[in-house]
Amino acid sequence: AQTVTQSQPEMSVQEAETVTLSCTYDTSESDYYLFWYKQPPSRQMILVIRQEAYKQQNATENRFSVNFQKAAKSFSLKISDSQLGDAAMYFCAYRRRTSGSRLTFGEGTQLTVNP
Amino acid sequence: SQTIHQWPATLVQPVGSPLSLECTVEGTSNPNLYWYRQAAGRGLQLLFYSVGIGQISSEVPQNLSASRPQDRQFILSSKKLLLSDSGFYLCAWWRGGETQYFGPGTRLLVL
Repeated sequence: AQTVTQSQPEMSVQEAETVTLSCTYDTSESDYYLFWYKQPPSRQMILVIRQEAYKQQNATENRFSVNFQKAAKSFSLKISDSQLGDAAMYFCAYRRRTSGSRLTFGEGTQLTVNP
Repeated sequence: SQTIHQWPATLVQPVGSPLSLECTVEGTSNPNLYWYRQAAGRGLQLLFYSVGIGQISSEVPQNLSASRPQDRQFILSSKKLLLSDSGFYLCAWWRGGETQYFGPGTRLLVL
């Protein structure tokens, strides 16, 4: 069974600084997707960024980028120029490519942005 | 574009009372539908998923049940709520593509 581990229950960053959230996963599959979701206080789940396992290039979405290390089964999220609106719970998630989209989530990292 | 609705947004129910949470999706047909529960400060636990009308798969044994009476409607129910049923319930849909998309959620408090 696939598992996703986020070892940092809480992180904090100063506004305008950079922060990295860690995620590791365990799978025997070679083709899959990885995601980072953001859950602000409203609790709406918002997709931040996605990575396809067969792509070696790390995904980037504006201030958000990932460091995908397939051999190490690591998928960290870097937030640059942190903004107050980035404060939220962040979840790492995994999906097998052929699974019909069932997602496996980590336990989340609560990010605080200090002004 | 696709839209997913959940209601009610918030619900406070006594222990032992019944429950019905509804999720509907617009702008797509024959989606996979999912019910997740999230305890306070925790990750998401998949409760049920459905690949079509009347087709329900349960992920964990529990006090809840799910039904899919129409293609774009997914209902989460209970005959008698327990205190441990309190949480945040999220509905999600998938129709091909890379990932699921989530509704706004329902906060359930069982007293």
